[in-house]
Amino acid sequence: AAGVIQSPRHLIKEKRETATLKCYPIPRHDTVYWYQQGPGQDPQFLISFYEKMQSDKGSIPDRFSAQQFSDYHSELNMSSLELGDSALYFCASSKGPDTYEQYFGPGTRLTVT
Amino acid sequence: DQQVKQNSPSLSVQEGRISILNCDYTNSMFDYFLWYKKYPAEGPTFLISISSIKDKNEDGRFTVFLNKSAKHLSLHIVPSQPGDSAVYFCAASARSGGGADGLTFGKGTHLIIQP
Repeated sequence: AAGVIQSPRHLIKEKRETATLKCYPIPRHDTVYWYQQGPGQDPQFLISFYEKMQSDKGSIPDRFSAQQFSDYHSELNMSSLELGDSALYFCASSKGPDTYEQYFGPGTRLTVT
Repeated sequence: DQQVKQNSPSLSVQEGRISILNCDYTNSMFDYFLWYKKYPAEGPTFLISISSIKDKNEDGRFTVFLNKSAKHLSLHIVPSQPGDSAVYFCAASARSGGGADGLTFGKGTHLIIQP
């Protein structure tokens, strides 16, 4: 079965640079979620989208923004990168905003040097 | 403040025996709970879930029990198999009314199945 696709899988950036992470949800899933997992930490919810509209917001820094496009894929834009932004970034998708079960992609490992 | 707590960072169980992973929560607004399994270099994989109106849900070798009054849930795996060795995350959701609610995760328990 098709899963959530994230690209790139690995990304190395320098401080103060920008990064864009992409997420392609499972086919027919219209809701996308972004999570950040620091080393040895639990995944922290950042933001979610349903039908291209922001739906729920977690601990997303003001330097980050995200959007969902008409084909339901989503992009997380990160600016003025800091060393502390180094983490695994997971995207998850679900079929509809009222479905509790979220299906996760393999993650993008971002390293800021 | 950790709203979902998994107090055992690791658990070692012999193959064929029962594995019991525990999870406690503090937010009484949580109304749905999920367990995810995670291998290194992969995303969390959904295992099983339970609504707050139930006290048990079973799927094959996996059973989740919920004790609302104690704000405690547990995942039972029986019999445990070598492929079950992974990090298990407990997660919870609180309906905000807007939908697409983010999950709150515990810090995970590393389950090691010994042959």
